Amino acid sequence: DAGVIQSPRHEVTEMGQEVTLRCKPISGHNSLFWYRQTMMRGLELLIYFNNNVPIDDSGMPEDRFSAKMPNASFSTLKIQPSEPRDSAVYFCASSFGRGYEQYFGPGTRLTVT
Amino acid sequence: SQQGEEDPQALSIQEGENATMNCSYKTSINNLQWYRQNSGRGLVHLILIRSNEREKHSGRLRVTLDTSKKSSSLLITASRAADTASYFCAMFGNEKLTFGTGTRLTIIP
Repeated sequence: DAGVIQSPRHEVTEMGQEVTLRCKPISGHNSLFWYRQTMMRGLELLIYFNNNVPIDDSGMPEDRFSAKMPNASFSTLKIQPSEPRDSAVYFCASSFGRGYEQYFGPGTRLTVT
Repeated sequence: SQQGEEDPQALSIQEGENATMNCSYKTSINNLQWYRQNSGRGLVHLILIRSNEREKHSGRLRVTLDTSKKSSSLLITASRAADTASYFCAMFGNEKLTFGTGTRLTIIP
């Protein structure tokens, strides 16, 4: 397996633009997680899906953020409109369940100017 | 909050020495996990220790868990330059996995 795949690896956009981050989890994993990592706040869980259903979105900062998982092999995290404070590295991770070891993708470094 | 505190925040040692990192947490857990993150990369799972376990080994890694003190330690023996990375503990409890603040380990060749 190629591991968790994320795209793009880097994204630079202007404030107000829509940003879409993509993730392909490891085949067979039923849990998918989106995280955001910054120097100030560390690693934060944004949303957790189980069997394609959002279970915990309490970490989604505000309505500008949305996430979908239309099938077991694809998920998106969308920010609309983007703001400079959204600049961070966004990771997708997958696992066999919430308490199991998680496999992280390489991350998307987002810069909003 | 379940968030873990890691100690020290940064650690520099000579290659070949042992490195010890500590993690403390606040509430009960089902398991505790350790991850490594190389600069600019995603986190990599190292080891998982369940709440009913006290010690676990994996290669040059040794993890201990003291649930009475709500703390865990990660020992890396015979360190190598390739061990330079950030190390995070993650606590699973109340159906949530929460990551600590991390220890930045630098191995000096």
